[in-house]
Amino acid sequence: GEDVEQSLFLSVREGDSSVINCTYTDSSSTYLYWYKQEPGAGLQLLTYIFSNMDMKQDQRLTVLLNKKDKHLSLRIADTQTGDSAIYFCAEYGRGSYIPTFGRGTSLIVHP
Amino acid sequence: ETGVTQTPRHLVMGMTNKKSLKCEQHLGHNAMYWYKQSAKKPLELMFVYNFKEQTENNSVPSRFSPECPNSSHLFLHLHTLQPEDSALYLCASSQMGTSGRAGADTQYFGPGTRLTVL
Repeated sequence: GEDVEQSLFLSVREGDSSVINCTYTDSSSTYLYWYKQEPGAGLQLLTYIFSNMDMKQDQRLTVLLNKKDKHLSLRIADTQTGDSAIYFCAEYGRGSYIPTFGRGTSLIVHP
Repeated sequence: ETGVTQTPRHLVMGMTNKKSLKCEQHLGHNAMYWYKQSAKKPLELMFVYNFKEQTENNSVPSRFSPECPNSSHLFLHLHTLQPEDSALYLCASSQMGTSGRAGADTQYFGPGTRLTVL
């Protein structure tokens, strides 16, 4: 089946930028999503990008999509301790209504 | 209530018990999903309901029995579970079938039920 890969951990200092990376194998991906999961909670939709876009910015969040390399990234500017969570990348293939999720990246923000 | 709600938030049960998890979505969506999230494993899709009809069953053991009485409610009935079934069970909903519009199939998740099987 199709795969979505993410590194498991990222540690950053408060105030720095965080970049969480994701690679996928499905060349027919139409939508790519980022979800955030705080401890003891469900997955919260952060943002998504359509496959015909290269970049999407939403306040402190910047999503970059490189379709050629099948690489998606989420940049969080001025990272705060409240950003500590697990971040999941997910993609929809063309015609699919079921997303494929990555394993999640645990972002740890320290003072 | 807004979004997707799940009850109970925490459940501890013995292997011989019967219990049910409940999910309710207040978003007017037509599809609902059960996922299992275990430590150190990817998110596992268990069941999908579209307009109350089950459209996916990803080889889930029969000790898990879903029920979808209407498009707003989804249950997961549990009986004779095993300790390895301990996990966070997440419910999600979406408006399926309109993927021509950006983000239309976006899944919205509930907070989950943390299940511990003793």
